[in-house]
Amino acid sequence: GAVVSQHPSWVICKSGTSVKIECRSLDFQATTMFWYRQFPKQSLMLMATSNEGSKATYEQGVEKDKFLINHASLTLSTLTVTSAHPEDSSFYICSAPVASGSHTQYFGPGTRLTVL
Amino acid sequence: DAKTTQPPSMDCAEGRAANLPCNHSTISGNEYVYWYRQIHSQGPQYIIHGLKNNETNEMASLIITEDRKSSTLILPHATLRDTAVYYCIVRAAGRQGAQKLVFGQGTRLTINP
Repeated sequence: GAVVSQHPSWVICKSGTSVKIECRSLDFQATTMFWYRQFPKQSLMLMATSNEGSKATYEQGVEKDKFLINHASLTLSTLTVTSAHPEDSSFYICSAPVASGSHTQYFGPGTRLTVL
Repeated sequence: DAKTTQPPSMDCAEGRAANLPCNHSTISGNEYVYWYRQIHSQGPQYIIHGLKNNETNEMASLIITEDRKSSTLILPHATLRDTAVYYCIVRAAGRQGAQKLVFGQGTRLTINP
């Protein structure tokens, strides 16, 4: 099946620094990707929809200036957590449908961010 | 998208069939039922989806009631590796904006040896 990768798989950073997380579709093109955040023992929360060649669409309550999303190619979307704080520590997961209107979405393995 | 209700947790013995229920009483005619699962500290994995008819693939079977207000995911011979959180999601398909998945709390399925 289709594969979505994320890099890095985990990252530890100091408070106030910015962290970039990459999401790649390895064997298919993704005009749309989704970014989720998951806190311990909680469900996935959709943060934003990443659209290739256009601005991302953010869910209500998600700060677009804090979570910068860039989808510069059909196989890569990046999420940058700017000025990270300990409360941003979470498991960040991306996903992508194989094709527009596809019933199946493939998820990346996730990136665990720890902000000290 | 229609809201779903799932039991928070279930246990099943290894080798037995695991039957995971999901209520979606407000489902619309164009909305599909999707099941995903998330093994600890991994990204979710697609399992199966259906509209009206029962569906089966190599992973599981999906039974949807005639009124479509509930469904059951069946893992026919559960193994320890099936221990995960199982999410039932209802959403329309075919529209670009409708592809996003909204996750509820899911059912934490524990397979016991």
